[in-house]
Amino acid sequence: QSALTQPPSASGSPGQSVTISCTGTSSDVGGYKYVSWYQQHPGKAPKLIIYEVTERPSGVPDRFSGSKSGNTASLTVSGLQAEDEADYYCGSFAGSSVLFGGGTKVTVL
Amino acid sequence: QVQLVESGGGVVQPERSLRLSCAASGFIFSRYGMNWVRQAPGKGLEWVAGIWFDGSRKIYADSVKGRFTISRDDSKSTVYLQMNSLRGEDTAVYYCGRDESYGTFEYWGQGTVVTVSS
Repeated sequence: QSALTQPPSASGSPGQSVTISCTGTSSDVGGYKYVSWYQQHPGKAPKLIIYEVTERPSGVPDRFSGSKSGNTASLTVSGLQAEDEADYYCGSFAGSSVLFGGGTKVTVL
Repeated sequence: QVQLVESGGGVVQPERSLRLSCAASGFIFSRYGMNWVRQAPGKGLEWVAGIWFDGSRKIYADSVKGRFTISRDDSKSTVYLQMNSLRGEDTAVYYCGRDESYGTFEYWGQGTVVTVSS
C-alpha cells in the first residue's frame, strides 16, 4: 500500500492553467476507473472535484478536468482563480484498499 | 441534506484505546459503504478503513490492520472506528466519508481530532 505520487507544488497566474499529475501502478490508477481528485482548503474537510477519472460532481466548475493515461492520472485547472489556491489530492481504488497521493499545493501567483 | 458528524476524539495515552463515531443523516445509510480517512498534522490524507454497505466486507490500511476495527449500526445510522494499541503516529484528524463507489468520497464530516501522547 504505497501512496500515489504527486508533485509537492504547482503554481500559475490568474487565468492560466495548471496540471497536476498522479502516478500509481497497474494495481491502482492504471487498473481501475475509480480515480478521484479532492480540493482541500486550510482547516477544511476535503471536497470531491473529480471522480471516475473525468466526471465532475454537481456544482464543480468545468474549469476542473481530469484524465488518465496508463498509470498516471492528471487534474487540470483552467482559468485559475484566487480561490483555487489549495491542496489537491488524488485518490484511487486499489482492490483491497484506497490510496491517496501525497498532495500538491497549488499557488495562484 | 447529507450530514456526517464525527465524535469521540480526544487525548489518549499510547497503547490505550479510543472509539470514534460518525453519525449520518439525510440519506439512506444502509445503502452506502462508509470509510475513515485521517490526516496527521501538516500531512496529507491517509485512508484508514472501509466497510461495505451491507457490512459484508471490511478493509484496512496496513498501518492499522490488527489494531483498528470498523463497524456499523444501521439502526443508528452510525459507523464506528475502534482504535486499540494507539501509537503516536495515529495522531491525526479523523474524517468519515460516504463511499459513492469504490473509494470515491463525496460527503465528508468535519473531522474529530485524536492526539496520542503521554
